[in-house]
Amino acid sequence: EAGVAQSPRYKIIEKRQSVAFWCNPISGHATLYWYQQILGQGPKLLIQFQNNGVVDDSQLPKDRFSAERLKGVDSTLKIQPAKLEDSAVYLCASSSTGTQYFGPGTRLLVL
Amino acid sequence: KNEVEQSPQNLTAQEGEFITINCSYSVGISALHWLQQHPGGGIVSLFMLSSGKKKHGRLIATINIQEKHSSLHITASHPRDSAVYICAVSPINYDMRFGAGTRLTVKP
Repeated sequence: EAGVAQSPRYKIIEKRQSVAFWCNPISGHATLYWYQQILGQGPKLLIQFQNNGVVDDSQLPKDRFSAERLKGVDSTLKIQPAKLEDSAVYLCASSSTGTQYFGPGTRLLVL
Repeated sequence: KNEVEQSPQNLTAQEGEFITINCSYSVGISALHWLQQHPGGGIVSLFMLSSGKKKHGRLIATINIQEKHSSLHITASHPRDSAVYICAVSPINYDMRFGAGTRLTVKP
């Protein structure tokens, strides 16, 4: 079974630029999560989708972050404009029965 | 105060030692997860617990719901066990919350 795919794996941008991350969950998984993990900390949930609907986006900085899962499968997370403090690993996970399966993450560095 | 507290933050052991990582949480949960994160790599789910004890190879996870406490044990530790181990809980009314992780280094 293929795992959760994410791209790109690494991204370096300058502050105030825009960036987008892509996630392809495990086939058949209705629930998709985006997490932000700052170095030395545990992951923080940004947004949770159930199919193409948002379940929880309470910790998403909506002035600069947006996410969509239009067809209930792939998802994109966008940051516009990026700030220095957005440097982190952005993890995507999917689940069907409770156990979350994580992708390899996208490591973002904002200069 | 974090809803999920792990100890220790950092742990160094010699190959072969028995290792224990602890996790305490402060909310009602439906499940607790132990995750493993290798340097530069993604996260792998090790266990999902709602009661009692689970064993997989050299890894054992226990949970005490009344005391809101869980432990992850590694028997006969090996350098390849070096990773960050993260405790996460699924609270009853909202989504997962994560501990800060325990960085384990096993020296040969």
